[in-house]
Amino acid sequence: QVQLVESGGGVVQPGRSLRLSCAASGFTFSSYSMHWVRQAPGKGLEWVALISFDGSYKYFADSVKGRFTISRDNSKNRLDLQMNSLTAEDTAVYYCASGTNMDVWGKGTTVTVSS
Amino acid sequence: QSVLTQPPSASGTPGQRVTISCSGSSSNIGSNTVNWYQQFPGTAPKLLIYANKQRPSGVPDRFSASKSGTSASLAISGLQSDDEADYYCAAWDDSLNGHVFGTGTKVTVL
Repeated sequence: QVQLVESGGGVVQPGRSLRLSCAASGFTFSSYSMHWVRQAPGKGLEWVALISFDGSYKYFADSVKGRFTISRDNSKNRLDLQMNSLTAEDTAVYYCASGTNMDVWGKGTTVTVSS
Repeated sequence: QSVLTQPPSASGTPGQRVTISCSGSSSNIGSNTVNWYQQFPGTAPKLLIYANKQRPSGVPDRFSASKSGTSASLAISGLQSDDEADYYCAAWDDSLNGHVFGTGTKVTVL
């Protein structure tokens, strides 16, 4: 079945970096664009980044532009999010989602930025 | 900061019809399709409606949606206790060059 599994979350100090991964299975990963979406504690959904099916196009929310990068390895069915210069405002559950319509979502991985 | 505005809450009794609005602008809803997502506490969101009014396989036809101009709406008919969740609209924004989500609406079944 179609599955997305995020990993890499944890507690990190402000200003440090963290890399999240999303392992995809059950579908042709290389044919679909992929997203990262986050949700701060008690808050709504915030779209973070999008990468096209072949990695040629990348888009970012203003709140993370210049600090986060998105990449994918279609040979390994893996999506990554490199997060640099983290602040407390980046504390959230991070979800990966597949497809133009964000049809399928992973269960999320929690990132806590705290000293 | 969300650019799509939803009412924070909506409620109804079992069997009633509840409608949730989503207000945007010409750069998002006005020029792109709208999706709706359902999220239960502590779980990941689930795609409920795509392309303004299309239901993915498995979504009951009690859920319907529409779009007009720079606004969209989601309707839940025959409200059930299982429908208690948060609902979010979303669309691509041509000015921001990114997706935007609505502020979210919590549906309560009285």
